[in-house]
Amino acid sequence: ETGVTQSPTHLIKTRGQQVTLRCSSQSGHNTVSWYQQALGQGPQFIFQYYREEENGRGNFPPRFSGLQFPNYSSELNVNALELDDSALYLCASSLVAGAYNEQFFGPGTRLTVL
Amino acid sequence: AQKVTQAQTEISVVEKEDVTLDCVYETRDTTYYLFWYKQPPSGELVFLIRRNSFDEQNEISGRYSWNFQKSTSSFNFTITASQVVDSAVYFCALSGEGSYIPTFGRGTSLIVHP
Repeated sequence: ETGVTQSPTHLIKTRGQQVTLRCSSQSGHNTVSWYQQALGQGPQFIFQYYREEENGRGNFPPRFSGLQFPNYSSELNVNALELDDSALYLCASSLVAGAYNEQFFGPGTRLTVL
Repeated sequence: AQKVTQAQTEISVVEKEDVTLDCVYETRDTTYYLFWYKQPPSGELVFLIRRNSFDEQNEISGRYSWNFQKSTSSFNFTITASQVVDSAVYFCALSGEGSYIPTFGRGTSLIVHP
């Protein structure tokens, strides 16, 4: 059974640029959630995708967008990057939608915005 | 609105000591779920336990135990006979039933010295 994988591991961008982060969910999982974790903070929920549809969204602006593909892998896109977007971005997959189920997390992508 | 408070920012112990990590939560939901996750230096969050609001039984899993008390809105986590491998950041999280948005605490960094 393959766990959740994310790419790239690290990324450096400059303000105003756009970035795409990728996530492959655990085998058999149809739900993917994305989180932003700033240094020294707990993860903040960005959104969740279930069967290719956005299923719930946290308090993030529209420049944070996502996609889920038929194989349940997912992308997180961030436009017009700001310095405060520097964080660890975590992807988590689960068997069913909702936030009350066990989630399996990937190792994250560390994004630095200069 | 939901809130999770982990008042202990960092705890330092010597191996074999017992340690308790505190978690206090606020919610208006009558049905909700509480979680504990471990985040080692590698970054991915590892699920430890989920407890629903109707199950106040304490749980023990090896050296780990959890004490859920609705009367004080607390869900504390105890590690018995701590080991160096327990060194990590531990997060408590809360989710209302039917919600897609979990709320995480800020985490407690546990350092276990040999």
